[in-house]
Amino acid sequence: GAGVSQSPRYKVAKRGQDVALRCDPISGHVSLFWYQQALGQGPEFLTYFQNEAQLDKSGLPSDRFFAERPEGSVSTLKIQRTQQEDSAVYLCASISGSSYNSPLHFGNGTRLTVT
Amino acid sequence: GENVEQHPSTLSVQEGDSAVIKCTYSDSASNYFPWYKQELGKGPQLIIDIRSNVGEKKDQRIAVTLNKTAKHFSLHITETQPEDSAVYFCAAPYSGGYQKVTFGTGTKLQVIP
Repeated sequence: GAGVSQSPRYKVAKRGQDVALRCDPISGHVSLFWYQQALGQGPEFLTYFQNEAQLDKSGLPSDRFFAERPEGSVSTLKIQRTQQEDSAVYLCASISGSSYNSPLHFGNGTRLTVT
Repeated sequence: GENVEQHPSTLSVQEGDSAVIKCTYSDSASNYFPWYKQELGKGPQLIIDIRSNVGEKKDQRIAVTLNKTAKHFSLHITETQPEDSAVYFCAAPYSGGYQKVTFGTGTKLQVIP
């Protein structure tokens, strides 16, 4: 596709439920990132994939958060036993290479609300 | 890791005036500094970036300046228009991590017609 696509756009979950957020990066993009954006804040790094390898997951806030990219294209961010503090916009971004000196191409995010 | 500070947090200007947003960073090895614009309900979009081998870059009404010695960089928007109203984020990569780009806290720019 022309850009990074994320689904769903909005997700409401009851506390304790599991959720799965999907990201379709730009075709052929090697690197994929997940960011978390709280209301009124800048995006915070969660994790980074280069193809199917998860090279950095240091930003994941707890072991309830899990991300995968099994075939090096589509990625899924899973949050188990959601808590209210997980409410945020989850942004996915991709770049064509692996250099950190490249601009990120962001999707429009998934807004997660935990009630 | 990288620490990025951005100010002001909000900025109101009259249409046609200039707007300046400033950021400082901590990692002296950082060498790439992008600026992103985020409109309501959308993801951030790159508007301009600068690499450490230049001190200034311009693209029509937008310019970015970089002072590596002082570790700060600034976004300048001239002849502001209502469509410039958005949240702007600076960012800097952490040279010690693969791709861990750190974002500033954002500046909400309002251009008053």
